[in-house]
Amino acid sequence: AQTVTQSQPEMSVQEAETVTLSCTYDTSESDYYLFWYKQPPSRQMILVIRQEAYKQQNATENRFSVNFQKAAKSFSLKISDSQLGDAAMYFCAYSPSGGSNYKLTFGKGTLLTVNP
Amino acid sequence: NAGVMQNPRHLVRRRGQEARLRCSPMKGHSHVYWYRQLPEEGLKFMVYLQKENIIDESGMPKERFSAEFPKEGPSILRIQQVVRGDSAAYFCASSPNRRNEQFFGPGTRLTVL
Repeated sequence: AQTVTQSQPEMSVQEAETVTLSCTYDTSESDYYLFWYKQPPSRQMILVIRQEAYKQQNATENRFSVNFQKAAKSFSLKISDSQLGDAAMYFCAYSPSGGSNYKLTFGKGTLLTVNP
Repeated sequence: NAGVMQNPRHLVRRRGQEARLRCSPMKGHSHVYWYRQLPEEGLKFMVYLQKENIIDESGMPKERFSAEFPKEGPSILRIQQVVRGDSAAYFCASSPNRRNEQFFGPGTRLTVL
């Protein structure tokens, strides 16, 4: 079974600084998808960024970028120029490709605090 | 275009009662997924439904839990004879087809007294 591990229960960053959240996963598949979701205090799950394993280029969405290391099964999220609104719980998630591609597996999350 | 709607947002039940959680997918989405988030845990997949059909219920407890997505109306997650261990946030997501780009609702927080 696939597992997703987020080793940092909590992280903090100063406003305007850069922070990196770690995620590792375990799978025997060669093709799959990886995601970072943000869950602010409102608890709404918001998709931040998505990476397809067959693509070598790291995904980027504005201030959010990933460092995808397929061989190491590592998928970290970098938030640049951190803003107060970035404060939230961040979840790393995995889904297989193929017939079960709808089944997301989530890590336990990292609580990010942004200090003014 | 309204997002995924879930109601109620908060639900309190006493042990032994029934809980009914509703999810209205985004307009044009016919695929619905339910996830459960226990305290200090990530979301866990429960069930995947397409209109009138259960596609995958591998994450659903075998007893007391059921889900439906009728031709008309919202998807319903039903928990019979609730126990304290059912206390959690239940999230619904939807997508226009069978895929992993799912749009999540705000969740229903169930508290069992």
